[in-house]
This record gives sequence, structure tokens and C-alpha cells, in this order.
Amino acid sequence: DAKTTQPTSMDCAEGRAANLPCNHSTISGNEYVYWYRQIHSQGPQYIIHGLKNNETNEMASLIITEDRKSSTLILPHATLRDTAVYYCIVRGSEYGNKLVFGAGTILRVKS
Amino acid sequence: GAVVSQHPSRVICKSGTSVKIECRSLDFQATTMFWYRQFPKQSLMLMATSNEGSKATYEQGVEKDKFLINHASLTLSTLTVTSAHPEDSSFYICSATRGGLMNTEAFFGQGTRLTVV
Repeated sequence: DAKTTQPTSMDCAEGRAANLPCNHSTISGNEYVYWYRQIHSQGPQYIIHGLKNNETNEMASLIITEDRKSSTLILPHATLRDTAVYYCIVRGSEYGNKLVFGAGTILRVKS
Repeated sequence: GAVVSQHPSRVICKSGTSVKIECRSLDFQATTMFWYRQFPKQSLMLMATSNEGSKATYEQGVEKDKFLINHASLTLSTLTVTSAHPEDSSFYICSATRGGLMNTEAFFGQGTRLTVV
């Protein structure tokens, strides 16, 4: 079972920042937080991952709270092509380093 | 990011036949590959984990004799759905990672849509 809780869906205006929250209150000290997204009928796309420090790449930023019990994925300037299901995944040795997907958040970017 | 390719992208087969799906890592050596299945409007369900040169580890409830996985090289894993039935119709997705470490990202193929008629 997934160890994360995400809102079922969110809307965001095109050009604005999209902030997607994720709760992972039972995360262990050596487990990573991963974010993937899936556009309809395609394989998931890797976005970003982190352990405890905030991370940024060309796609997004990942903000992890100090207690590591929650995190937020930030898409700084959402476009219509960012409409997808976003999955927050906790990955660690307890699951054999597997990526176990939960239900995710449906993000709808609207013009 | 790294490229993972699946083939075929779509396949239709008759009930009772077997279907093989290939997953290739094109620009890196994948020591570990994962196979998932996804039904409409549902999330991805992990079926099995395969490490190059060893037997796959199947998730609970997944029949290893029905879903044969071979990971014979560092760039290729195959999933064979044997004696397919209509209920096996699904979207099958593979994922590959350079290592089994939890801080190494996994990259996904584009998926294979299997329809059993």
C-alpha cells in the first residue's frame, strides 16, 4: 500500500504556480520522496525526488518539511500541457526500493 | 532523462494465445526493471521486480506462471502473458533503473495496451 495521501484533484490557472501537497507522516529516515506524473495513456514521467533538502530542477521544485511528514511539488508556471495525474511516492528499503503508486492528484490546468 | 522503450505499443490477441512485451533501456544499463499493470481510471499496480540475471520477484496475487518475466540482459526485459484471457486486457508499463538503490530514479516506458478478444 502507498504511504502517501494526496488530494484527489486540483485546478490551476495557466501561468500560475501549481502547488501539489502530499502527506507522508509515516516516512522513515532513509526513505525518499519521489514525484511522477502521468499524462493520459502514457507511461509515468519522472519529475523530481528528494530526501530532506529542498530540490529544484528544470521541471519543478520539491519542498520537504523539516519533520519530513509532508512535501509540496511546485510547478512554477503551469501550462495546459501540465494537466496530468501527479503521484507522490515514498520509496525505501521497506518496500525493496520499489515505486508503489497511490491514487495521485489529478491536476487540471485551465486557460 | 533516460529513455525506456516498450514494444509493441498496442497489441490485440485472441483468447488463449500468448503475448510478449519487450522493455528496453536505450541509453543506460538497467540492473532492475519493474512491471506494472494499469486498468482504466486506476493507478499503476506493481506486478513484479526483475533484476538482471536472476528470477523475478512477484507481488502478492500475481501469478508467476501466467506472467513470465525474463531479464536476460542489462538492457532488455520481457513480459509474456501466457494463455491470455479478456480479463488480462490492460495497460502494461515497464520501468527501468540503473540500480536498485532508492535514490536512483526509475524511468518508464510508454506502455503497451493489450486487448484480448
